[in-house]
Amino acid sequence: AQTVTQSQPEMSVQEAETVTLSCTYDTSESNYYLFWYKQPPSRQMILVIRQEAYKQQNATENRFSVNFQKAAKSFSLKISDSQLGDTAMYFCAGTSYDKVIFGPGTSLSVIP
Amino acid sequence: NAGVMQNPRHLVRRRGQEARLRCSPMKGHSHVYWYRQLPEEGLKFMVYLQKENIIDESGMPKERFSAEFPKEGPSILRIQQVVRGDSAAYFCASSPPLAQSNEQFFGPGTRLTVL
Repeated sequence: AQTVTQSQPEMSVQEAETVTLSCTYDTSESNYYLFWYKQPPSRQMILVIRQEAYKQQNATENRFSVNFQKAAKSFSLKISDSQLGDTAMYFCAGTSYDKVIFGPGTSLSVIP
Repeated sequence: NAGVMQNPRHLVRRRGQEARLRCSPMKGHSHVYWYRQLPEEGLKFMVYLQKENIIDESGMPKERFSAEFPKEGPSILRIQQVVRGDSAAYFCASSPPLAQSNEQFFGPGTRLTVL
């Protein structure tokens, strides 16, 4: 069975600084996709970034980038130049056949 | 192109009543997924449907919960005889056919409160 682990329940970062959120994804599948979703207080799920497991190049999306270490099953999210609007829950997720498996989330607070 | 729509956004029910949650996928999307988010937790997969077919319901509780996605109209998640433990946010997501990445587009959720 696929499992997604996020070992940091809460994190905080000063505005304009950089923060890294950790995630591990354990799967027996050879090809899969990994995602980071953001859930602000509005509760809307917003896709932040996506990584295809067969691609060696790490995905980037403006201030957001990932460090995907396939062998180590690690999929961390780096947020650069943190902004107050980045305050949210962040969920790591991965595909498992026909569904997406989510981690328990990390609550990120950006401090002015 | 409207996103995934869910209604109602908030639903209050008393124990023993029925709850019906609706989801209209994005235009052109034929795959619908339902997830439940309990307070302070992540999303848990419930069911995956295509038009008129349940593909995977491995996350659905065995009793009181059912889902459908008819040929016409929205997908419905139905909870019979609700209990307090059903209080949660229920999210619907949709994806187009043959979606290689399994990227799912989420609706705003329905927050169910059982009194």
